[in-house]
Amino acid sequence: AQKVTQAQTEISVVEKEDVTLDCVYETRDTTYYLFWYKQPPSGELVFLIRRNSFDEQNEISGRYSWNFQKSTSSFNFTITASQVVDSAVYFCALSEAVDTGRRALTFGSGTRLQVQP
Amino acid sequence: KAGVTQTPRYLIKTRGQQVTLSCSPISGHRSVSWYQQTPGQGLQFLFEYFSETQRNKGNFPGRFSGRQFSNSRSEMNVSTLELGDSALYLCASSGGRTAGPYEQYFGPGTRLTVT
Repeated sequence: AQKVTQAQTEISVVEKEDVTLDCVYETRDTTYYLFWYKQPPSGELVFLIRRNSFDEQNEISGRYSWNFQKSTSSFNFTITASQVVDSAVYFCALSEAVDTGRRALTFGSGTRLQVQP
Repeated sequence: KAGVTQTPRYLIKTRGQQVTLSCSPISGHRSVSWYQQTPGQGLQFLFEYFSETQRNKGNFPGRFSGRQFSNSRSEMNVSTLELGDSALYLCASSGGRTAGPYEQYFGPGTRLTVT
């Protein structure tokens, strides 16, 4: 069975601090995808990144960066120089049955990030 | 490109009633998935439709059902509502049929309250 664990329930930082959100996953699939989504107070899930299991290269997009380590089954997300607008709930998710093309995602429980001005 | 739209945005129903939620995917997307989000259980996969066929189903009772139309629009129905069905129901669309999940783009959700 697939499982995604986000051990940090809530994180509070002061603006301009760096913050890392942890994600650990479990799967028996050899091919899979990992995702991060942001859910602001409005409720809509906003796609941030997709990473496939064959690509362990770290990725940076502006203030966002992701560290994928297959050896530890982790896919961590770092926000550099956090801003108040980054306040949201962040979800890590894992795909299921990639080879069938099915789209079901298994989500972690989410990490609520509060950035104080 | 217009995003995923869901109607209605808010809904209040009474126990025992049934409800139908609607989702219009991004133009050109053929896959529609539904998720339930509650404070206790988090985000859980309900089902996925592709080309009017249910391709995958989560672990929910038969009271939860769905369908997809030829224009890819999807509806989900919950019969005999229970208090525990109160949740944010999110619809997601993605494109193509090739192996491997593309990014799923989510709508704003329908917040259902059962009293």
